[in-house]
Amino acid sequence: QKEVEQNSGPLSVPEGAIASLNCTYSDRGSQSFFWYRQYSGKSPELIMSIYSNGDKEDGRFTAQLNKASQYVSLLIRDSQPSDSATYLCAVKLQAGTALIFGKGTTLSVSS
Amino acid sequence: KAGVTQTPRYLIKTRGQQVTLSCSPISGHRSVSWYQQTPGQGLQFLFEYFSETQRNKGNFPGRFSGRQFSNSRSEMNVSTLELGDSALYLCASSRQVDDLTDTQYFGPGTRLTVL
Repeated sequence: QKEVEQNSGPLSVPEGAIASLNCTYSDRGSQSFFWYRQYSGKSPELIMSIYSNGDKEDGRFTAQLNKASQYVSLLIRDSQPSDSATYLCAVKLQAGTALIFGKGTTLSVSS
Repeated sequence: KAGVTQTPRYLIKTRGQQVTLSCSPISGHRSVSWYQQTPGQGLQFLFEYFSETQRNKGNFPGRFSGRQFSNSRSEMNVSTLELGDSALYLCASSRQVDDLTDTQYFGPGTRLTVL
């Protein structure tokens, strides 16, 4: 059974701080990893994808991947109240395009 | 470019009925996946279609089925509805299968309530 684990939160940070979201996965052969953001009542929207070990930066977002430790993280710098949402970590099945999702971490950014 | 569309957006059914949900992928996308989202279980993979063929299937009972048409549009069907089937059903499309960088984009979802 392929699994993706996330802390459910809530994770509370003040405006301007760095939010750190973590995810572990069970399938050592996984190669594609994604972070989605989901606002309440809305569908998930893609924030970042990462495929190689190391860091990948996009604006205020940095994804980090460590395949040896089976660990993926998302850092949000200069957090804003508009970043308050549930963040979903997803791992692609080795064949096809389907994703296995963690249950999400709820982030709350206070102004 | 238009995004993934799903119809209907909201549905109310009673136990024992069946329901069909529809999904139109982004133009040019050939792969469609379906997910069920509930507060308790989160986002769970139902099935994936590519070129009218089911490529992968999640751990759901046979009451859940789907299909894909030649224009890549997809439908999913749930028969003999149970209260526990109340959920947000999400469709996601992507360009192709077997590409590590291929990315799924989600539609707005269909909110199904079973009474």
